[in-house]
Amino acid sequence: GQQVMQIPQYQHVQEGEDFTTYCNSSTTLSNIQWYKQRPGGHPVFLIQLVKSGEVKKQKRLTFQFGEAKKNSSLHITATQTTDVGTYFCAASHSGNTPLVFGKGTRLSVIA
Amino acid sequence: DTGVSQNPRHKITKRGQNVTFRCDPISEHNRLYWYRQTLGQGPEFLTYFQNEAQLEKSRLLSDRFSAERPKGSFSTLEIQRTEQGDSAMYLCASSPDRGRSRNTEAFFGQGTRLTVV
Repeated sequence: GQQVMQIPQYQHVQEGEDFTTYCNSSTTLSNIQWYKQRPGGHPVFLIQLVKSGEVKKQKRLTFQFGEAKKNSSLHITATQTTDVGTYFCAASHSGNTPLVFGKGTRLSVIA
Repeated sequence: DTGVSQNPRHKITKRGQNVTFRCDPISEHNRLYWYRQTLGQGPEFLTYFQNEAQLEKSRLLSDRFSAERPKGSFSTLEIQRTEQGDSAMYLCASSPDRGRSRNTEAFFGQGTRLTVV
């Protein structure tokens, strides 16, 4: 079945450092979504990417969708303690198929 | 409407017992999903409804699991003869239907944490 691989599994950074997580698929994706889950919380939608090569920004967060629509990345500039949590990518092959989640990258920010 | 609601929030049950969870999605959302999440893992897809129709069910899901969405509104997930391996967080999510070609964001509930002892 469809799988999305996400790396790294864990990332510990000092506050103010940058952070990047990567999501890869062996097959072409229809779209990719990113979610954040705080400790003890539930996944919360961040963004959806649909177009090849698409780049979207949300304040300190930059999201990219690869040209081949097989990979994506989330980059956080100058991390803050409020960025702590697990970041998941979720992808589907078409608009009518359910999302498949990666295993997530757990971010710890040391003040 | 305050979002996706799941009940109960926590459930402790003895092995072999049956359990049922309820999910109330956001009212105008046609799509409803059930996921299972264990510690350190991403949400694992279980099943998916479009209105009252169950469109897809994970091949990993045993016959002990069944889900319904009888009127296209709330949904229930039942696990029969629970096993210790069923212990997990069961997440429900809903999303609006924007047509066959478009996925939309999923809104998750707080989940039901099941512990089988």
